[in-house]
Amino acid sequence: NAGVMQNPRHLVRRRGQEARLRCSPMKGHSHVYWYRQLPEEGLKFMVYLQKENIIDESGMPKERFSAEFPKEGPSILRIQQVVRGDSAAYFCASSPDSPNYGYTFGSGTRLTVV
Amino acid sequence: SQQGEEDPQALSIQEGENATMNCSYKTSINNLQWYRQNSGRGLVHLILIRSNEREKHSGRLRVTLDTSKKSSSLLITASRAADTASYFCATDRGSRLTFGEGTQLTVNP
Repeated sequence: NAGVMQNPRHLVRRRGQEARLRCSPMKGHSHVYWYRQLPEEGLKFMVYLQKENIIDESGMPKERFSAEFPKEGPSILRIQQVVRGDSAAYFCASSPDSPNYGYTFGSGTRLTVV
Repeated sequence: SQQGEEDPQALSIQEGENATMNCSYKTSINNLQWYRQNSGRGLVHLILIRSNEREKHSGRLRVTLDTSKKSSSLLITASRAADTASYFCATDRGSRLTFGEGTQLTVNP
């Protein structure tokens, strides 16, 4: 039973390019959460999705960022026209309907914007 | 200050000693969770304590929760060099976790 799978592990983009980060939740988990971690800081909530629905996107920047969790396939966090300030580690977590035992996190995607 | 603040920011101890980390939060919670993060890696869930629980144990870990003071503590007994990591508390209000800035624990062999 694989855990939460994120890819790529490392992603380098030039300013102005698009970054697409993928997250496959644990088998049986229907809830996906994206968090961002800047260097030397804790994780900050970005968005919470269920299949085909965005439940809470209150932590997402208003522009350039979007997320989806389609009926088939992984959840995608998309960052358009990346800037240096987008450089961070992006973590995905998943949970079952009742996350009574904590959330399972992926290993993260480290985005570097050059 | 934000929800889920850990104290101290950094802690350095010798192998075999106990390590205590504290966490304070501001709003009501469903539960509080502790996570560990090794340098450059993802988070590993350690323990979850519900709002109606006061203490919980898991191996060498002991977590307490005082909802009247809105605080929690994580105790690691008989520490090992492999316990070196950052430790985060996170409060769960139903649809998201709110993390603190973490405590960097260094266990010297």
